[in-house]
Amino acid sequence: GEDVEQSLFLSVREGDSSVINCTYTDSSSTYLYWYKQEPGAGLQLLTYIFSNMDMKQDQRLTVLLNKKDKHLSLRIADTQTGDSAIYFCAEKRFGNEKLTFGTGTRLTIIP
Amino acid sequence: DTAVSQTPKYLVTQMGNDKSIKCEQNLGHDTMYWYKQDSKKFLKIMFSYNNKELIINETVPNRFSPKSPDKAHLNLHINSLELGDSAVYFCASSHPLRHPGQGRLDTQYFGPGTRLTVL
Repeated sequence: GEDVEQSLFLSVREGDSSVINCTYTDSSSTYLYWYKQEPGAGLQLLTYIFSNMDMKQDQRLTVLLNKKDKHLSLRIADTQTGDSAIYFCAEKRFGNEKLTFGTGTRLTIIP
Repeated sequence: DTAVSQTPKYLVTQMGNDKSIKCEQNLGHDTMYWYKQDSKKFLKIMFSYNNKELIINETVPNRFSPKSPDKAHLNLHINSLELGDSAVYFCASSHPLRHPGQGRLDTQYFGPGTRLTVL
């Protein structure tokens, strides 16, 4: 995760919006992903964005990509207790088979 | 109807032992992976196989040996276990989708993980 950075912790009140940020360093990234990991479980794909897009919306999730600043964010609207999890961003680089994962952000919901 | 399954879910063993973790996917995917997640939740890729052929081999000790008997299975064998091997190991699989003008999308589907504890 040394090339993909995230804040480790985020606390949000129930009903508010959560914004989870991610920065990456490789300009050859083709796709960027957000995964969710609930306690004791594997990673679940939430959404992805192609690198020539600025924004993608999917129900309560909005992904913003600033390719110039190499900054990716995930906004969760109307955050619920079920959104408590660790969120990982990941990048896929052109010509590379693997995904490089970020350090993960633990989202805690305050009632 | 589990997509990616791993066994066992928990594995507790003594230092120096040899153990295996099994992974199976029923998604028809060509590519499978092994990841290690440490206690700080950092996730690092270890190996990847495509159609039973090794395509990614990160800096992993020789004590770790993946084996892919067929496209749907990728097992991980670990020799001479050490304390530092304690972690959660995740298997994943993917199948590439080529979007015209947008390159190759590899969406990875993860198993539930195997928590390995070495005493």
